[in-house]
Amino acid sequence: EADIYQTPRYLVIGTGKKITLECSQTMGHDKMYWYQQDPGMELHLIHYSYGVNSTEKGDLSSESTVSRIRTEHFPLTLESARPSHTSQYLCASSARDSRAETQYFGPGTRLLVL
Amino acid sequence: GNSVTQMEGPVTLSEEAFLTINCTYTATGYPSLFWYVQYPGEGLQLLLKATKADDKGSNKGFEATYRKETTSFHLEKGSVQVSDSAVYFCALRSANAGKSTFGDGTTLTVKP
Repeated sequence: EADIYQTPRYLVIGTGKKITLECSQTMGHDKMYWYQQDPGMELHLIHYSYGVNSTEKGDLSSESTVSRIRTEHFPLTLESARPSHTSQYLCASSARDSRAETQYFGPGTRLLVL
Repeated sequence: GNSVTQMEGPVTLSEEAFLTINCTYTATGYPSLFWYVQYPGEGLQLLLKATKADDKGSNKGFEATYRKETTSFHLEKGSVQVSDSAVYFCALRSANAGKSTFGDGTTLTVKP
Protein backbone atom coordinates (compact mmCIF):
# COMPACT_ATOMS: atom_id res chain seq x y z
CA GLU A 1 0.00 0.00 0.00
CA ALA A 2 1.28 3.42 -0.96
CA ASP A 3 2.27 5.83 1.81
CA ILE A 4 1.03 9.02 0.26
CA TYR A 5 -1.47 11.22 2.04
CA GLN A 6 -3.66 14.10 1.09
CA THR A 7 -5.56 16.48 3.33
CA PRO A 8 -8.26 17.52 3.46
CA ARG A 9 -10.20 14.79 1.67
CA TYR A 10 -13.15 17.14 1.10
CA LEU A 11 -13.27 20.94 1.16
CA VAL A 12 -16.18 23.32 0.61
CA ILE A 13 -15.14 26.95 0.53
CA GLY A 14 -16.38 30.33 -0.64
CA THR A 15 -15.15 32.30 -3.61
CA GLY A 16 -12.07 34.44 -2.97
CA LYS A 17 -10.64 32.35 -0.14
CA LYS A 18 -7.03 31.19 -0.12
CA ILE A 19 -6.63 27.42 0.17
CA THR A 20 -3.74 24.99 0.46
CA LEU A 21 -4.09 21.32 -0.40
CA GLU A 22 -1.57 19.19 1.43
CA CYS A 23 0.29 16.18 0.02
CA SER A 24 2.90 14.14 1.86
CA GLN A 25 4.69 10.91 1.10
CA THR A 26 6.88 8.80 3.34
CA MET A 27 8.56 6.76 0.61
CA GLY A 28 11.47 9.14 -0.01
CA HIS A 29 10.40 9.65 -3.62
CA ASP A 30 12.08 12.43 -5.55
CA LYS A 31 9.34 13.05 -8.08
CA MET A 32 5.91 14.36 -7.16
CA TYR A 33 2.89 15.38 -9.24
CA TRP A 34 -0.45 17.16 -9.00
CA TYR A 35 -3.32 16.14 -11.28
CA GLN A 36 -6.75 17.67 -11.71
CA GLN A 37 -9.45 15.12 -12.43
CA ASP A 38 -12.61 16.06 -14.35
CA PRO A 39 -16.05 14.74 -13.48
CA GLY A 40 -15.61 12.69 -16.67
CA MET A 41 -12.56 11.17 -14.94
CA GLU A 42 -9.88 12.52 -17.31
CA LEU A 43 -6.59 13.30 -15.62
CA HIS A 44 -4.77 16.56 -16.32
CA LEU A 45 -1.23 17.13 -15.05
CA ILE A 46 -1.01 20.63 -13.56
CA HIS A 47 2.34 20.59 -11.69
CA TYR A 48 5.29 18.31 -11.07
CA SER A 49 8.59 18.34 -9.25
CA TYR A 50 11.87 16.50 -9.76
CA GLY A 51 13.00 17.15 -6.19
CA VAL A 52 13.55 19.81 -3.57
CA ASN A 53 13.38 23.35 -4.98
CA SER A 54 12.26 22.03 -8.37
CA THR A 55 8.77 22.74 -9.73
CA GLU A 56 7.43 22.59 -13.27
CA LYS A 57 4.09 23.42 -14.86
CA GLY A 58 2.19 20.54 -16.36
CA ASP A 59 0.08 20.13 -19.47
CA LEU A 60 -2.97 21.99 -18.20
CA SER A 61 -2.63 25.64 -17.31
CA SER A 62 -3.61 26.24 -13.71
CA GLU A 63 -3.90 29.28 -11.47
CA SER A 64 -2.55 27.22 -8.60
CA THR A 65 1.04 27.29 -7.36
CA VAL A 66 3.20 24.64 -5.71
CA SER A 67 6.32 24.50 -3.60
CA ARG A 68 8.83 21.77 -2.76
CA ILE A 69 10.86 22.74 0.26
CA ARG A 70 11.08 19.21 1.66
CA THR A 71 11.28 15.93 -0.22
CA GLU A 72 8.19 14.51 1.44
CA HIS A 73 5.90 17.52 1.10
CA PHE A 74 4.34 19.07 -2.05
CA PRO A 75 1.52 21.48 -1.18
CA LEU A 76 -0.70 23.15 -3.78
CA THR A 77 -2.07 26.65 -3.16
CA LEU A 78 -4.89 28.64 -4.69
CA GLU A 79 -4.60 32.31 -3.71
CA SER A 80 -8.22 33.12 -4.55
CA ALA A 81 -10.56 30.21 -5.12
CA ARG A 82 -13.24 30.42 -7.81
CA PRO A 83 -16.10 28.09 -8.78
CA SER A 84 -14.10 27.06 -11.87
CA HIS A 85 -11.54 25.48 -9.49
CA THR A 86 -14.13 22.95 -8.34
CA SER A 87 -12.63 19.56 -9.10
CA GLN A 88 -10.85 16.57 -7.64
CA TYR A 89 -7.09 17.01 -7.10
CA LEU A 90 -4.82 13.96 -7.01
CA CYS A 91 -1.26 13.97 -5.76
CA ALA A 92 1.23 11.30 -6.86
CA SER A 93 4.88 10.40 -6.41
CA SER A 94 7.45 8.13 -8.03
CA ALA A 95 10.89 6.90 -7.08
CA ARG A 96 13.05 8.03 -9.98
CA ASP A 97 12.92 9.26 -13.51
CA SER A 98 12.92 6.04 -15.47
CA ARG A 99 10.58 4.70 -18.13
CA ALA A 100 9.50 1.81 -15.89
CA GLU A 101 8.62 3.81 -12.80
CA THR A 102 5.23 3.37 -11.16
CA GLN A 103 3.34 6.36 -9.86
CA TYR A 104 1.76 6.10 -6.42
CA PHE A 105 -1.37 8.16 -5.90
CA GLY A 106 -2.95 9.69 -2.84
CA PRO A 107 -6.70 9.36 -2.19
CA GLY A 108 -7.47 12.81 -3.60
CA THR A 109 -9.00 16.04 -2.36
CA ARG A 110 -12.45 16.88 -3.63
CA LEU A 111 -12.80 20.69 -3.75
CA LEU A 112 -16.07 22.58 -4.09
CA VAL A 113 -15.92 26.35 -4.43
CA LEU A 114 -19.23 28.11 -3.93
CA GLY B 1 4.39 13.71 -28.75
CA ASN B 2 3.03 10.83 -26.73
CA SER B 3 -0.65 9.96 -26.65
CA VAL B 4 -2.91 7.18 -25.39
CA THR B 5 -6.33 6.32 -26.79
CA GLN B 6 -8.68 4.18 -24.74
CA MET B 7 -11.94 2.55 -25.58
CA GLU B 8 -14.76 4.89 -24.66
CA GLY B 9 -16.99 3.98 -21.79
CA PRO B 10 -18.96 3.39 -19.85
CA VAL B 11 -18.81 -0.38 -20.10
CA THR B 12 -21.47 -2.43 -18.33
CA LEU B 13 -21.11 -6.18 -17.97
CA SER B 14 -22.77 -8.98 -16.07
CA GLU B 15 -20.78 -10.88 -13.47
CA GLU B 16 -18.54 -13.60 -14.98
CA ALA B 17 -18.53 -11.95 -18.42
CA PHE B 18 -15.32 -11.52 -20.42
CA LEU B 19 -13.77 -8.06 -20.35
CA THR B 20 -11.69 -6.28 -22.95
CA ILE B 21 -10.75 -2.60 -22.72
CA ASN B 22 -8.81 -1.45 -25.77
CA CYS B 23 -5.79 0.81 -25.52
CA THR B 24 -3.56 2.06 -28.33
CA TYR B 25 -0.69 4.49 -28.12
CA THR B 26 1.72 6.68 -30.03
CA ALA B 27 5.08 7.42 -28.50
CA THR B 28 8.54 8.67 -29.22
CA GLY B 29 11.14 6.21 -28.15
CA TYR B 30 10.41 2.92 -26.52
CA PRO B 31 7.83 3.35 -23.76
CA SER B 32 6.72 1.29 -20.81
CA LEU B 33 2.98 0.66 -20.66
CA PHE B 34 0.72 0.61 -17.62
CA TRP B 35 -2.83 -0.03 -16.52
CA TYR B 36 -3.99 1.83 -13.43
CA VAL B 37 -7.33 1.31 -11.64
CA GLN B 38 -9.33 3.81 -9.60
CA TYR B 39 -11.97 2.43 -7.25
CA PRO B 40 -14.76 4.77 -6.12
CA GLY B 41 -13.57 7.43 -3.72
CA GLU B 42 -9.90 6.50 -4.07
CA GLY B 43 -6.80 7.52 -5.96
CA LEU B 44 -5.31 5.49 -8.80
CA GLN B 45 -3.26 2.37 -8.14
CA LEU B 46 -1.09 0.32 -10.44
CA LEU B 47 -2.87 -2.76 -11.80
CA LEU B 48 -0.15 -4.10 -14.10
CA LYS B 49 2.64 -2.99 -16.38
CA ALA B 50 4.93 -4.16 -19.19
CA THR B 51 8.27 -2.66 -20.10
CA LYS B 52 9.14 -4.27 -23.43
CA ALA B 53 7.54 -5.73 -26.52
CA ASP B 54 5.70 -9.06 -26.06
CA ASP B 55 5.82 -8.75 -22.28
CA LYS B 56 2.59 -9.71 -20.55
CA GLY B 57 1.61 -7.90 -17.38
CA SER B 58 -0.83 -9.68 -15.09
CA ASN B 59 -2.47 -9.13 -11.72
CA LYS B 60 -5.74 -10.12 -9.99
CA GLY B 61 -6.85 -12.06 -13.08
CA PHE B 62 -6.27 -9.11 -15.41
CA GLU B 63 -3.68 -9.27 -18.14
CA ALA B 64 -2.37 -7.16 -20.99
CA THR B 65 0.29 -7.84 -23.62
CA TYR B 66 2.63 -5.19 -25.02
CA ARG B 67 2.14 -5.35 -28.80
CA LYS B 68 4.69 -3.16 -30.54
CA GLU B 69 3.51 -4.06 -34.04
CA THR B 70 -0.03 -2.81 -33.35
CA THR B 71 0.99 -0.23 -30.70
CA SER B 72 -1.60 -1.70 -28.35
CA PHE B 73 -1.92 -2.79 -24.73
CA HIS B 74 -5.46 -4.13 -24.38
CA LEU B 75 -6.69 -5.08 -20.91
CA GLU B 76 -8.50 -8.42 -20.53
CA LYS B 77 -10.10 -10.47 -17.79
CA GLY B 78 -11.81 -13.79 -18.31
CA SER B 79 -14.51 -13.46 -15.67
CA VAL B 80 -15.30 -10.12 -14.05
CA GLN B 81 -16.72 -9.64 -10.57
CA VAL B 82 -18.84 -6.89 -9.07
CA SER B 83 -15.76 -5.78 -7.13
CA ASP B 84 -13.99 -5.00 -10.44
CA SER B 85 -16.29 -2.01 -10.95
CA ALA B 86 -13.93 0.94 -11.25
CA VAL B 87 -12.32 3.34 -13.69
CA TYR B 88 -9.39 1.93 -15.68
CA PHE B 89 -6.61 4.09 -17.09
CA CYS B 90 -4.07 3.08 -19.71
CA ALA B 91 -0.77 4.99 -19.49
CA LEU B 92 2.68 5.12 -21.00
CA ARG B 93 6.02 6.54 -20.06
CA SER B 94 9.01 7.09 -22.33
CA ALA B 95 12.56 7.46 -21.11
CA ASN B 96 13.41 11.08 -20.27
CA ALA B 97 9.78 12.11 -20.80
CA GLY B 98 9.60 13.55 -17.32
CA LYS B 99 5.99 12.51 -16.94
CA SER B 100 3.49 9.80 -17.82
CA THR B 101 0.76 10.11 -20.44
CA PHE B 102 -2.67 8.83 -19.40
CA GLY B 103 -5.70 7.83 -21.43
CA ASP B 104 -9.09 9.34 -20.62
CA GLY B 105 -10.20 6.41 -18.46
CA THR B 106 -12.88 3.78 -19.03
CA THR B 107 -15.59 3.27 -16.43
CA LEU B 108 -16.53 -0.36 -15.86
CA THR B 109 -19.69 -1.38 -14.03
CA VAL B 110 -20.25 -5.06 -13.29
CA LYS B 111 -23.80 -6.08 -12.35
CA PRO B 112 -24.63 -9.18 -10.31
